[in-house]
Amino acid sequence: GEDVEQSLFLSVREGDSSVINCTYTDSSSTYLYWYKQEPGAGLQLLTYIFSNMDMKQDQRLTVLLNKKDKHLSLRIADTQTGDSAIYFCAETYGYGQNFVFGPGTRLSVLP
Amino acid sequence: ETGVTQSPTHLIKTRGQQVTLRCSSQSGHNTVSWYQQALGQGPQFIFQYYREEENGRGNFPPRFSGLQFPNYSSELNVNALELDDSALYLCASSLDKAYGYTFGSGTRLTVV
Repeated sequence: GEDVEQSLFLSVREGDSSVINCTYTDSSSTYLYWYKQEPGAGLQLLTYIFSNMDMKQDQRLTVLLNKKDKHLSLRIADTQTGDSAIYFCAETYGYGQNFVFGPGTRLSVLP
Repeated sequence: ETGVTQSPTHLIKTRGQQVTLRCSSQSGHNTVSWYQQALGQGPQFIFQYYREEENGRGNFPPRFSGLQFPNYSSELNVNALELDDSALYLCASSLDKAYGYTFGSGTRLTVV
């Protein structure tokens, strides 16, 4: 079955690193994604990783994938107040398939 | 290159009514997917259209229907609205169902 889980809340201080975690159940997932949603807005793609990779870095963002444990994480270095948002983990299966999203993690960045 | 635009941005309807939501896909994109995002939850897949044909459907009743036009814009129709249909409806487009989906800002539907 398809199920993606995330912790619902995370609070960090400005300048610290944030780590948002996600677990998924379907080992046939081909791509795993991180999306950001700010209040009243749609979804913004932050980064994605192919299932045969274990790490991807893009400026302040680092994605780690542990395929054995079906665990995905997003690390945001030097977290800023503008990073406050809801972060969604999502998976897809195969080519052209729909996204299955987690419930989202609300990141609050304290000054 | 324009992104995905959705209209209207907000809508209030009465239970039992019908509603049509619209989505203009990003220039060059021929695939459109619709998602429902209830308050405090992640988006749920409704259906996808590829070159004017339905190409997959999530666990939504038949009163949720859609269309894709020759210019690849799309409509989501919901009949016999229920209070639980209150949500943010998101449209996403891509080229040839590939992974590069672009999401619109959504239509906030409130059913009273």
